[in-house]
Amino acid sequence: AQTVTQSQPEMSVQEAETVTLSCTYDTSESDYYLFWYKQPPSRQMILVIRQEAYKQQNATENRFSVNFQKAAKSFSLKISDSQLGDAAMYFCAYRSYSNYQLIWGAGTKLIIKP
Amino acid sequence: DAGVIQSPRHEVTEMGQEVTLRCKPISGHNSLFWYRQTMMRGLELLIYFNNNVPIDDSGMPEDRFSAKMPNASFSTLKIQPSEPRDSAVYFCASSLSGGPTDTQYFGPGTRLTVL
Repeated sequence: AQTVTQSQPEMSVQEAETVTLSCTYDTSESDYYLFWYKQPPSRQMILVIRQEAYKQQNATENRFSVNFQKAAKSFSLKISDSQLGDAAMYFCAYRSYSNYQLIWGAGTKLIIKP
Repeated sequence: DAGVIQSPRHEVTEMGQEVTLRCKPISGHNSLFWYRQTMMRGLELLIYFNNNVPIDDSGMPEDRFSAKMPNASFSTLKIQPSEPRDSAVYFCASSLSGGPTDTQYFGPGTRLTVL
């Protein structure tokens, strides 16, 4: 069975600096998708970024980028120029190509220090 | 475009009462998911609909929980009778087709408190 591990329950960063959130996963499949979702205090789950496993190029969305290491089964999220609005829980999720189910990590709470 | 709409945003009820949570998926989306989020268990998939048909309800905790999708634009999750351990945030999410390239888009959630 697939699993997703986020080993950092909480991270903090100074405003305007860069922070990296870690995620590792375990799977025997070769085709899958990886996601980072953000959950601010409002509770809304917001898609931050998505990576297809067959793509070697790391996905980027403005200040958000990933470091996808398929062999190492690692999928970290880098947030550049951190802003106060980035404070939230961040969840890493895995989805098999052949299954609709998302497998979720436990989440990392990101604190932004002004 | 409007995102996934859920109502109510907050629900406080007493043990034994019936609770109905509502969801309107994004227009044009054919797949709908109900999740429950708690501190202890994280995000759990309760049930998945595709084209209004329940495909997988293995995550529904027990017979007190039921879900319906009478049409493509509306779904309900009902708990009867409710218990304090049902207190959680319930999310509805929708996606285009449920296919492998899909992304799930979440509603704002309903925070349920059962006293």
